[in-house]
Formats: sequence, C-alpha cells, structure tokens
Amino acid sequence: AQKVTQAQTEISVVEKEDVTLDCVYETRDTTYYLFWYKQPPSGELVFLIRRNSFDEQNEISGRYSWNFQKSTSSFNFTITASQVVDSAVYFCALPSNTGKLIFGQGTTLQVKP
Amino acid sequence: NAGVTQTPKFQVLKTGQSMTLQCAQDMNHNSMYWYRQDPGMGLRLIYYSASEGTTDKGEVPNGYNVSRLNKREFSLRLESAAPSQTSVYFCASSEWGRNQPQHFGDGTRLSIL
Repeated sequence: AQKVTQAQTEISVVEKEDVTLDCVYETRDTTYYLFWYKQPPSGELVFLIRRNSFDEQNEISGRYSWNFQKSTSSFNFTITASQVVDSAVYFCALPSNTGKLIFGQGTTLQVKP
Repeated sequence: NAGVTQTPKFQVLKTGQSMTLQCAQDMNHNSMYWYRQDPGMGLRLIYYSASEGTTDKGEVPNGYNVSRLNKREFSLRLESAAPSQTSVYFCASSEWGRNQPQHFGDGTRLSIL
C-alpha cells in the first residue's frame, strides 16, 4: 500500500529561524515521484516541487531546500530564515498508479514575527 | 492565465437539496480530479477523469456524481446533500502521468445544514 506520513501536525517558529518539515512515504514501486504543496491561509493549494526516485540530489530554490533520501523513505523540506509569509499548511504527496495524489495529513507552520 | 476555476466559492445548502460544483481549466490538461478536504483527514479523491470521455471513482465517491463535459470542464454533483458532505471541495487538473503535478483551483466551501 502507498502511504504518506507527516508526523508533525503543527510547528511554530519565530521569524528568521530555520525549520524542517518531515515527510516519510511508503511505496513498493521502484520508480515514483514525490511532490510538496503549500496551502496558505487563503486556502488555495500551490504546487512547490516535484522530485523523482532516480535523483537523490538535494534541491535548493531560494530559501527552500529539499532533502530526498530513498534509504530512509524520506523527502524533507527545509525553509531557511523563515518569514511570516511562510505560514501555511504544507503537504507532501505521492502519486499513485491511478493518477490520484496520496496526501499526507499536512503540517501547519506558524511563523511568528 | 486563469488555470483552474471553480464556481461557486461558497455555498450553503439544506439537507436533501441538490447542487452542481463547476470546474474549468484552461491549461489543455487531459486529466481532472475532484477532492474534498476535511479537518484531520487531509485531501481525499472523490472522482477523477483521466481523459475526456472517461470518469472513475476515487476513495470517497458515495453521494456524488461527475460529468466530464468536455476537455476543459469537469463538474461534481450532489444529488441529495447530507451534513456529512460539508467540506471544502477542490478541483485539479494535470497532464496524465504520475510525474505530472496537479494544479488546483481555489476551492469551494460547502456547508450543508
């Protein structure tokens, strides 16, 4: 069975702190993809990044970075120097072979000024 | 570029009433999806349409019907609304394939009294 677990329900940090959001996944597939989405307080779901199982290199985009490790089935997301605008719910997702996205429960990040 | 447009954004229904949620995408995507988001449950797939002319059940299809009207439009119908269907509904679209990210509309907040 495929499953995504985001064990951190809520995280609260002070602005400029670094924060890491954890994602652990389960799949029997040898080839797969993983996504991260952001849901700000306004409610829309915004696609952030896609990674495939072939590429375990860390990826950095501005203040965001992603650490993908097949050995531990983890795809963690780090925000460096967090800002209030980063406050949102963040979802990790694993596409199934039927095309649907299997979402984790989400991690609510609150960045306080 | 509008992306995925959902109407209405908010709706209040009485138990037993019927309603159709509309979704249209302008990205020429083949696949479209309907999810519901409930507190503590994450996002769950209701129905999806891999391509124009096809529809399939997701995790929680009971009480819903869908119509893929054309490549752009995918509607979700509640024939006899129940309080358990109070939720936020998201429509999404993508190219077909597990590596393709889904792009979401802004959601419809539906309350059933």
